[in-house]
Amino acid sequence: DTAVSQTPKYLVTQMGNDKSIKCEQNLGHDTMYWYKQDSKKFLKIMFSYNNKELIINETVPNRFSPKSPDKAHLNLHINSLELGDSAVYFCASSYGQGVTEAFFGQGTRLTVV
Amino acid sequence: DAKTTQPPSMDCAEGRAANLPCNHSTISGNEYVYWYRQIHSQGPQYIIHGLKNNETNEMASLIITEDRKSSTLILPHATLRDTAVYYCIVRVANAGNNRKLIWGLGTSLAVNP
Repeated sequence: DTAVSQTPKYLVTQMGNDKSIKCEQNLGHDTMYWYKQDSKKFLKIMFSYNNKELIINETVPNRFSPKSPDKAHLNLHINSLELGDSAVYFCASSYGQGVTEAFFGQGTRLTVV
Repeated sequence: DAKTTQPPSMDCAEGRAANLPCNHSTISGNEYVYWYRQIHSQGPQYIIHGLKNNETNEMASLIITEDRKSSTLILPHATLRDTAVYYCIVRVANAGNNRKLIWGLGTSLAVNP
């Protein structure tokens, strides 16, 4: 059973399109995250939700809109895709926001052409 | 910005102990040290974390110096499957008592047969 699953694993799309990445966790965690890993392999947090409430919103263009329908799901919608959005996006989850380990999904490789 | 410094790469012979150093000279008293690793094309995987005392689990040991300005992750008997990028991270307190992990570039560990 996959703990944190993301779909799709690969996404190739043209500039200007709108796309969504879905994430689901079956660990019973109450906190979920979206991270972006760029071509230089830096991993940066984008958003964090706790019990469906947004708690961390880093400096991310408002073309990126996370949505958490329930605490087991955190989807990422991206409008008007740009070349610079090409990256690997990771979803993660954890218990609470304190000293806990985070479980990561396998990533979604987004390529904007 | 990341608050940790790690060597960009290391080599280790299979079966030997791998000792991965990390400097975090600006760590504050209530900040924890986390270690994660990322095997190629996979999501990051939690390894271990600690505050002051040395820690050990089934994956690794974490040795933190008395002044807490540096730490070492020890993989006691490295295998080829331990080849990965290892991230040493200090947990930062954010506004509203929310916390996030700030990731550096890590150490690329190559375990050789």
